Amino acid sequence: ETGVTQTPRHLVMGMTNKKSLKCEQHLGHNAMYWYKQSAKKPLELMFVYNFKEQTENNSVPSRFSPECPNSSHLFLHLHTLQPEDSALYLCASSRGTDPNEKLFFGSGTQLSVL
Amino acid sequence: AQSVTQLDSQVPVFEEAPVELRCNYSSSVSVYLFWYVQYPNQGLQLLLKYLSGSTLVKGINGFEAEFNKSQTSFHLRKPSVHISDTAEYFCAVSRIQGAQKLVFGQGTRLTINP
Repeated sequence: ETGVTQTPRHLVMGMTNKKSLKCEQHLGHNAMYWYKQSAKKPLELMFVYNFKEQTENNSVPSRFSPECPNSSHLFLHLHTLQPEDSALYLCASSRGTDPNEKLFFGSGTQLSVL
Repeated sequence: AQSVTQLDSQVPVFEEAPVELRCNYSSSVSVYLFWYVQYPNQGLQLLLKYLSGSTLVKGINGFEAEFNKSQTSFHLRKPSVHISDTAEYFCAVSRIQGAQKLVFGQGTRLTINP
């Protein structure tokens, strides 16, 4: 148990659906991240939030919309996705955004877009 | 920009045998180096990290890694593996200036055979 919980664990959606991924951390951290893990590709950083403010958007398409209402919760709202968006979406948190910080990851949401 | 190359996508070894997982990186600036492990159906966990000082870094579960600046490598080793070490291993780097922005390699799947 890493202290970072993601729901749902699995999600199947059509290209016209709207869904949301949820991440919650119980570690008192100030920074939260979304990563995308596709088969045969390195993990890709999508978004970074520090003290609820977005500090990084790694050129992510607008069909992915993050929300961070407080330092403990992070959402990823999904709409009109494409089949190539099917992947494991990982949430992570850290105390701060110093480059030597250890990241704590959730188990991920396995997303399938039909 | 930084990049990470993990030279082996899969490494099969027998139980109690030694193992080395290779990682090379490219960067025009100084970096911190990390190894993360992902057990089946789980998120990533930090194994070890190199920030400065001794080039031999010891981590959890009997793993160690050696930073070689001249060869820009950070290979992971364990003298005797167990079935429970079956997992995917990710090498990552982060520039030491600026905010946390981990760049991951493609991962190496370590399979332990009895």
